[in-house]
Amino acid sequence: GENVEQHPSTLSVQEGDSAVIKCTYSDSASNYFPWYKQELGKRPQLIIDIRSNVGEKKDQRIAVTLNKTAKHFSLHITETQPEDSAVYFCAASNGNNRLAFGKGNQVVVIP
Amino acid sequence: SAVISQKPSRDICQRGTSLTIQCQVDSQVTMMFWYRQQPGQSLTLIATANQGSEATYESGFVIDKFPISRPNLTFSTLTVSNMSPEDSSIYLCSVAPGLAGYEQYFGPGTRLTVT
Repeated sequence: GENVEQHPSTLSVQEGDSAVIKCTYSDSASNYFPWYKQELGKRPQLIIDIRSNVGEKKDQRIAVTLNKTAKHFSLHITETQPEDSAVYFCAASNGNNRLAFGKGNQVVVIP
Repeated sequence: SAVISQKPSRDICQRGTSLTIQCQVDSQVTMMFWYRQQPGQSLTLIATANQGSEATYESGFVIDKFPISRPNLTFSTLTVSNMSPEDSSIYLCSVAPGLAGYEQYFGPGTRLTVT
């Protein structure tokens, strides 16, 4: 089955700086890659996603890039704010709608 | 987007008992899923709840332990049977409202503690 890995496990950034989280996946048939943000005690929230026919997608301060050859995709957060502090999960799906999640990254934005 | 609710929000149960968790959506959705999230851990898919047929379970999860029902396109239940402390976890349902079934949205979760 699909295996998704995330790096780094914890990321601390100064407010206003950029944060980048990278995920790798194992199944070359995977074609859908969402990112979820989970604040403490809350449900995971879908923040952005990308499909395999696109290399990059942006939504305001967040963007996701996909490298199918290398089988990795990354989340980019620019101009980080304290409310960006959360655990971020990447996931991958091979089109059967079943998501395989990475272990998560704790992002801490230091005011 | 779809409004998803779960009942109960939390419960404390004794080992050996069973708990049924409900997931309700305010609109018809194509697909519904059940996940488990152990404390401080990632999300693990338990099964896909299929409307009108038996659920599709992931490796490591069996119907006898986690029976699932989905009687219609807006409702599903997950039962955690014969519980042990290792079942203490957050259980979340998710829905994929789109026709392609890609984007998944999560319910608020049920925090289960087994003593």
